[in-house]
Amino acid sequence: EPEVTQTPSHQVTQMGQEVILRCVPISNHLYFYWYRQILGQKVEFLVSFYNNEISEKSEIFDDQFSVERPDGSNFTLKIRSTKLEDSAMYFCASRQGAGTEAFFGQGTRLTVV
Amino acid sequence: QKEVEQDPGPLSVPEGAIVSLNCTYSNSAFQYFMWYRQYSRKGPELLMYTYSSGNKEDGRFTAQVDKSSKYISLFIRDSQPSDSATYLCAMNSNSGYALNFGKGTSLLVTP
Repeated sequence: EPEVTQTPSHQVTQMGQEVILRCVPISNHLYFYWYRQILGQKVEFLVSFYNNEISEKSEIFDDQFSVERPDGSNFTLKIRSTKLEDSAMYFCASRQGAGTEAFFGQGTRLTVV
Repeated sequence: QKEVEQDPGPLSVPEGAIVSLNCTYSNSAFQYFMWYRQYSRKGPELLMYTYSSGNKEDGRFTAQVDKSSKYISLFIRDSQPSDSATYLCAMNSNSGYALNFGKGTSLLVTP
């Protein structure tokens, strides 16, 4: 069964460092997303990406965040200068079309120390 | 007022019980409703997906949407210990892309 895969599963980084979280969405999907979940809190939307551009972003997704689809399969989230409060689970999701169901990856646990 | 409200629980039931999980929402534009199951430190796993009002059944799971009351439910019949997880409701509008999640209800099914 097709699935969204994310790497790494866990990343520890020092405050101020740049991190890149990687995702391989399901192959025939066209819409891609990043969400995050701080421990004990709800899943929060960060950004959606369609047709090689950002289609929607939340207020969380500020200038320190960026996304890229560098080739036909990968979808990345870059955090330029990490802060302690960026520590969270980051989930990538994809969907085939608008209004269809979204499938999530297993997440990357980011720990900023 | 939060857009999506969900009782965090925890909810503890004996094996074999019928479980009822619920969410309320405030945005009348929401039309697509989902239930996800999430195990600890894992990604959300899609259980049910419904559009607009009505019922949908899949095995032991039934999803109900009442748009007039802005209320959605997930019923789990013959609950099993393996159903122990956090259940997240999520929804979005026709034109929106982002999913709005509830905080999740923690369910424990005891043998």
